[in-house]
Amino acid sequence: QVQLQESGPGLVKPSETLSLTCTVSGGSINSYYWNWIRQPPGKGLEWIGYIYYTGSTQYNPSLKSRVTISIDTSKNQFSLKLISVTAADTAVYYCARFKRGGDAFDIWGQGTMVTVSS
Amino acid sequence: DIQMTQSPSSLSASVGDRVTITCRASQSISSYLNWYQQKPGKAPRLLIRGASSLESGVPSRFSGSGSETDFTLTISSLQPEDFATYSCQQSYGTPYTFGQGTKLEIK
Repeated sequence: QVQLQESGPGLVKPSETLSLTCTVSGGSINSYYWNWIRQPPGKGLEWIGYIYYTGSTQYNPSLKSRVTISIDTSKNQFSLKLISVTAADTAVYYCARFKRGGDAFDIWGQGTMVTVSS
Repeated sequence: DIQMTQSPSSLSASVGDRVTITCRASQSISSYLNWYQQKPGKAPRLLIRGASSLESGVPSRFSGSGSETDFTLTISSLQPEDFATYSCQQSYGTPYTFGQGTKLEIK
């Protein structure tokens, strides 16, 4: 059974860079699209972007200037970097996958809370 | 961006009730509509994909319907474990967007 696990700092200072990693276990990272999704406290879900196992990416235009998603297939991991963070970036960050275009997010990580505060 | 609007935002119901949650897209998304259930402190769980395809392991009391811009999620007979927040999501095109969620509470 494929499982996803997010890891990274739970506290980031304003203007600094948020960095998270998602580790895929129980299956291969190949042939899927790997996503980052976030949820501010008490609010709805926001898609951040995805990376295909080949390395191609797509980002939400609302975050595109600040986001980079990368992949390391040898480690079965993919990562998120969000620069110049503010309090508005405080959220639970999830990694999730889908199989092909038009598909649903079928497997999710448990999520990790990231707080932006000095 | 495609805006997804759910109604109601919250709903009180009793065990055994039949409930319906609606989701409207700001433009046609064919059947590229998915439903998720989320409990406090947990990740979303996929219930229905492609507007009406029940995910494996999801009880048959859950069903989905609709196409183009109007969709519904129906729970035929509420069980205690169904009290949660439900969100719709369009996978028609990027940026993928979610509804604001419907919180289903015990009456």
